[in-house]
Amino acid sequence: AQSVTQLGSHVSVSEGALVLLRCNYSSSVPPYLFWYVQYPNQGLQLLLKYTSAATLVKGINGFEAEFKKSETSFHLTKPSAHMSDAAEYFCAVSGPGGSYIPTFGRGTSLIVHP
Amino acid sequence: EADIYQTPRYLVIGTGKKITLECSQTMGHDKMYWYQQDPGMELHLIHYSYGVNSTEKGDLSSESTVSRIRTEHFPLTLESARPSHTSQYLCASSSGGGTEAFFGQGTRLTVV
Repeated sequence: AQSVTQLGSHVSVSEGALVLLRCNYSSSVPPYLFWYVQYPNQGLQLLLKYTSAATLVKGINGFEAEFKKSETSFHLTKPSAHMSDAAEYFCAVSGPGGSYIPTFGRGTSLIVHP
Repeated sequence: EADIYQTPRYLVIGTGKKITLECSQTMGHDKMYWYQQDPGMELHLIHYSYGVNSTEKGDLSSESTVSRIRTEHFPLTLESARPSHTSQYLCASSSGGGTEAFFGQGTRLTVV
């Protein structure tokens, strides 16, 4: 079965600082990986996705993530945090190598201080 | 822009009532999902469908039921609501393997 683990339920950064949200996956073969963002009282919105093309994936709002097979990781980064980045972030995995149904991590709450 | 809609957005209802949460998408996606999101944010899959007349239970046991009579419509029903059903319910759809899921805005259900 495929799964993702998000390290840290809360991450706190200052405005302008680097954002790093961690996600490690478990899968028998390289899976498809996604990062979503959720604002209060909203559904989830796709930030970016990895589907076996380029290992460095650029997404919306200045976010990017790098697929590292050797580390089974897909960490999300942004060079400079903005107050509007404060939200919940979810890493997700789906097939190949397992079910094509998206399976989500527990989520990381990003807090941005002025 | 994603075209998946959930109604109602918010619902407060008494114990024992029957409720249906609506979910519709206009993207022609075959696959649709219902997730329950607890206050700690985690999403749990409760139902999914691969197409018309196809429904399956997810990883989290749920007393709700679903139907898929039309491609675009995937309603969730609780025959007798209980306080333990209080949660946020998220509907999503996708077109197939390797593609992202599109989410509705969610229904926040409170059973009193």
